[in-house]
Amino acid sequence: TQLLEQSPQFLSIQEGENLTVYCNSSSVFSSLQWYRQEPGEGPVLLVTVVTGGEVKKLKRLTFQFGDARKDSSLHITAAQPGDTGLYLCAGPSTGTASKLTFGTGTRLQVTL
Amino acid sequence: NAGVTQTPKFQVLKTGQSMTLQCAQDMNHEYMSWYRQDPGMGLRLIHYSVGAGITDQGEVPNGYNVSRSTTEDFPLRLLSAAPSQTSVYFCASSYGTGGREAFFGQGTRLTVV
Repeated sequence: TQLLEQSPQFLSIQEGENLTVYCNSSSVFSSLQWYRQEPGEGPVLLVTVVTGGEVKKLKRLTFQFGDARKDSSLHITAAQPGDTGLYLCAGPSTGTASKLTFGTGTRLQVTL
Repeated sequence: NAGVTQTPKFQVLKTGQSMTLQCAQDMNHEYMSWYRQDPGMGLRLIHYSVGAGITDQGEVPNGYNVSRSTTEDFPLRLLSAAPSQTSVYFCASSYGTGGREAFFGQGTRLTVV
């Protein structure tokens, strides 16, 4: 079973601060996805990283895939209240039907 | 664009009752799945389907049944509700055999008393 552990579990910061969220596994993934979930809604895909060492930027969010494709990080610069939500990483399992395994999630709260 | 539609949004059941959570998608996705979300545990896969007539178990299938008679619909049945099934349930669909971007419904918050 491929497991994804996220840290920290909770993060409460003030507007303007920087933060990094981590997603780690002992297994190699062909790709990793990052989702954001707002209260009362389903998760929505932010980005998919595919190549080891890859860095993708989405405005103030920077995603990195580890060289060995076992871990990923999400860095937010100058956090805003609109960044508040649950951040989930997910990776496909190997096999005929590639099921998505989700991480445990990081709940971020950004206050004024 | 409807995407993935789940009904109902909220439900309270008594222990032992049965019910069906509905899920429909209009994106012609082959792959559909059901997850439950509990605090601190992320999303856990209950059942999934790679196409009409084909279903399989996920990580936590006990107490749930599914069927896939059409590409669009993938209902989840709770056979005899238990308090341990209190959770938020999400249906998702994706293109191909899974592993790609998952499109989620808004969820069903189920409480079993």
